[in-house]
Amino acid sequence: DQQVKQNSPSLSVQEGRISILNCDYTNSMFDYFLWYKKYPAEGPTFLISISSIKDKNEDGRFTVFLNKSAKHLSLHIVPSQPGDSAVYFCAAHRDDKIIFGKGTRLHILP
Amino acid sequence: ETGVTQTPRHLVMGMTNKKSLKCEQHLGHNAMYWYKQSAKKPLELMFVYNFKEQTENNSVPSRFSPECPNSSHLFLHLHTLQPEDSALYLCASSQEGPLGDTQYFGPGTRLTVL
Repeated sequence: DQQVKQNSPSLSVQEGRISILNCDYTNSMFDYFLWYKKYPAEGPTFLISISSIKDKNEDGRFTVFLNKSAKHLSLHIVPSQPGDSAVYFCAAHRDDKIIFGKGTRLHILP
Repeated sequence: ETGVTQTPRHLVMGMTNKKSLKCEQHLGHNAMYWYKQSAKKPLELMFVYNFKEQTENNSVPSRFSPECPNSSHLFLHLHTLQPEDSALYLCASSQEGPLGDTQYFGPGTRLTVL
């Protein structure tokens, strides 16, 4: 039973446009959520996080939105740049666990 | 004993000391991780070991040196640390790695560097 789901394995977006990466979760007890970015053959890089008591967190081109009633969060990247092409992992934290989604591969098209 | 265990639970060290943190998992998992959690910050992934091979190193300073002698044990060797390295160091394991799976955490080692 997957508690953190990233239903889109891949996404293609034109350079300069907005990239929206989605994540759904099933457990309302998660206390914060994180997004990681991973290039091939490199380690994951922390991008942005959001506490469960907030509904939005913004850092430069990255904004994470949390909709607790829908158990849904999304990562917005605007404007999208070629260097944003990577795999993005959503993760949820609770107690002694952090649960990752399977990732979404983002392709930024020239 | 089950789950993920970490020793010691608390550690105070000077900047010139050398110490090691130990992690052991009894879950039969294949991947192990070191995270750092500073006050009011999210988890920072430091190292990933998948089937005993280090697969990721997130530009962690060389004063932190991991060792994974087998799939059940993970060490973090510390030397010449800085006061800003004071944090909670968490070990985790998962069945698969490096990501995309549920990771189970140990209780952590609270490190204070004087």
